[in-house]
Amino acid sequence: DVKVTQSSRYLVKRTGEKVFLECVQDMDHENMFWYRQDPGLGLRLIYFSYDVKMKEKGDIPEGYSVSREKKERFSLILESASTNQTSMYLCASSARGELFFGSGTQLSVL
Amino acid sequence: AQSVSQHNHHVILSEAASLELGCNYSYGGTVNLFWYVQYPGQHLQLLLKYFSGDPLVKGIKGFEAEFIKSKFSFNLRKPSVQWSDTAEYFCAVTDNAGNMLTFGGGTRLMVKP
Repeated sequence: DVKVTQSSRYLVKRTGEKVFLECVQDMDHENMFWYRQDPGLGLRLIYFSYDVKMKEKGDIPEGYSVSREKKERFSLILESASTNQTSMYLCASSARGELFFGSGTQLSVL
Repeated sequence: AQSVSQHNHHVILSEAASLELGCNYSYGGTVNLFWYVQYPGQHLQLLLKYFSGDPLVKGIKGFEAEFIKSKFSFNLRKPSVQWSDTAEYFCAVTDNAGNMLTFGGGTRLMVKP
């Protein structure tokens, strides 16, 4: 079974803090993604990566950055957390378009 | 750019009722189509997918979807829903290379026992 692991299930941070969300996959997939999920808005793509050290902006990259130093690990970074970044963050890896999701990280920014 | 529209944001059905969730996409080229489901408290999982061939696709748990190319649609159906089908359902599309998966806004289904 494909396994995508997100390091934290729940996080509470303060406005202005730097936040790291970690994601690891064990299927040697080249493509990895970060989405945020908000009620009524579905899943929106923040960033994706198609290879080590390669990254591409998704639909809503503002306020975020990413790091892909190793194939299995894709990190999402909130440089200075804001309250409008309170959301559920989902990491995924993919093979031929089929996504395999992690359990998600519910981030609350106070 | 591709986009996906799910017309029903909330659907409430009684058990044994038939289900159809609409999904329309806009993209000029060849697409791969997906339905994902998220049960309460669980992560997203694949329900069914269409890459090519028979446009009527069978998925898990009795779900099926039909790809109608002329209508740019990929509607999800189930003849008789169960309480355990209560979940949020997402339609998604990629181009043929499997790039840039785009999701619809989701449909929340509640099945009354």
